[in-house]
This record gives sequence, C-alpha cells and structure tokens, in this order.
Amino acid sequence: QKEVEQNSGPLSVPEGAIASLNCTYSDRGSQSFFWYRQYSGKSPELIMFIYSNGDKEDGRFTAQLNKASQYVSLLIRDSQPSDSATYLCAVNGLGGGFKTIFGAGTRLFVKA
Amino acid sequence: DAGVTQSPTHLIKTRGQQVTLRCSPKSGHDTVSWYQQALGQGPQFIFQYYEEEERQRGNFPDRFSGHQFPNYSSELNVNALLLGDSALYLCASSLPRGTSGRAGTDTQYFGPGTRLTVL
Repeated sequence: QKEVEQNSGPLSVPEGAIASLNCTYSDRGSQSFFWYRQYSGKSPELIMFIYSNGDKEDGRFTAQLNKASQYVSLLIRDSQPSDSATYLCAVNGLGGGFKTIFGAGTRLFVKA
Repeated sequence: DAGVTQSPTHLIKTRGQQVTLRCSPKSGHDTVSWYQQALGQGPQFIFQYYEEEERQRGNFPDRFSGHQFPNYSSELNVNALLLGDSALYLCASSLPRGTSGRAGTDTQYFGPGTRLTVL
C-alpha cells in the first residue's frame, strides 16, 4: 500500500463547476496535510494546508480532513481553465519523522 | 521577500559524471529539503537538512549526498550519474518543526527546480 494515494485522473470538469480531488494516506500518525498545484514544467505551488479534522476554506478552495478515515480532499469551486494543472496531495509527520510524502498527483482539466 | 532559489535551471551530464545543485531558502527559513521528481510522478523525498546536519533521509543511495551551510543554503551532490537520475530536482524550505507550537506544521515552499538530464 502506498503511503499517499491519489487518483491519477485525468479529472475533467466544465468551467464554473466544482472539482473534487481526493487523497488517502496510510499512517494514522500523520500530522499535517498539504495541497500543491503544479503546472506542466513548473515546480509545486502551495495551495493550502490543514491539520485539524473538518473543513478549511481559502477563497475558491476548501480542504477537508477526516483523520478517522485517513482521507483528505480538495474542492475547487467555480473552476476556471487556469485551474487546469496537476494537484499534489502531501502528508507530513509519517512515523513521527520530518519527511513529507507526496502522492503521484491528479491531473485536472477545466473545459471552457 | 525572496523566495526559494535554485541553480542551475538546466543541466546536461553524461553517465558516470558528478553534479552539484544549489539552493537558497526563503528568507526566515532554516530547513531545507530536497526532492527528485520523475516525469509523471510526485516528488520523492531525498533528505532534509537542519542546523547543517542531515536530519532525515529517504530511500536514496549514498550516491546522493548533501550539505547545508551556516547561511542555511544547501547543496545536493549526485555521484556516478545514471540515466535514471534524469529528473526535476526540487528544493523546498520551511520553518523548523514546532515553530508554530505544533509538530508537523512545517509548510514547505518550493524553488523553481533544476532539470537534470543524464545522457
């Protein structure tokens, strides 16, 4: 079982729709959870982090964390073509250590 | 406020050669992590440096080594390059663990990366 798993996609949504991206992780001791956006040929850009159960909202983005289910998600409201990118889920604190483990990413396409 | 910087941007080497990549952390950050990202994959953790020491290492061979300087900048060295080392190498900086009082909240910010091609 991979430590952090994401559906590779591609996920295709029409402009203005809600995009829902999901991620599961294997270590119940994980402490911090991050979503990064990565455009082709560029480096990952932090969207948001979450470390408490529940929802965290930032503009059009909402991160949701459920530690009991070992599940974290990212919702993008009013999706725009400029949101088309690969979204990386990252988990920190596995095994009490310092490393951050990334999923393989989900490719999102927003159709105009 | 300068972000994370990396040099060089691109690099082409041949098998067996050695390479050194450089990173300067974001202002106020003193922890540097290095990642390797192959095409179509997520970043893979190589190691993390804090207080000039390697604090944790991922599943990479000893050919991968690093260093952190007193000004918090860092180098990644790869010896005896293999074709499979071709990848985007990313440096990320963060505040030290526990800075905000909560363990694990070391949010990482990435530099633009170095694209290494091994021929």
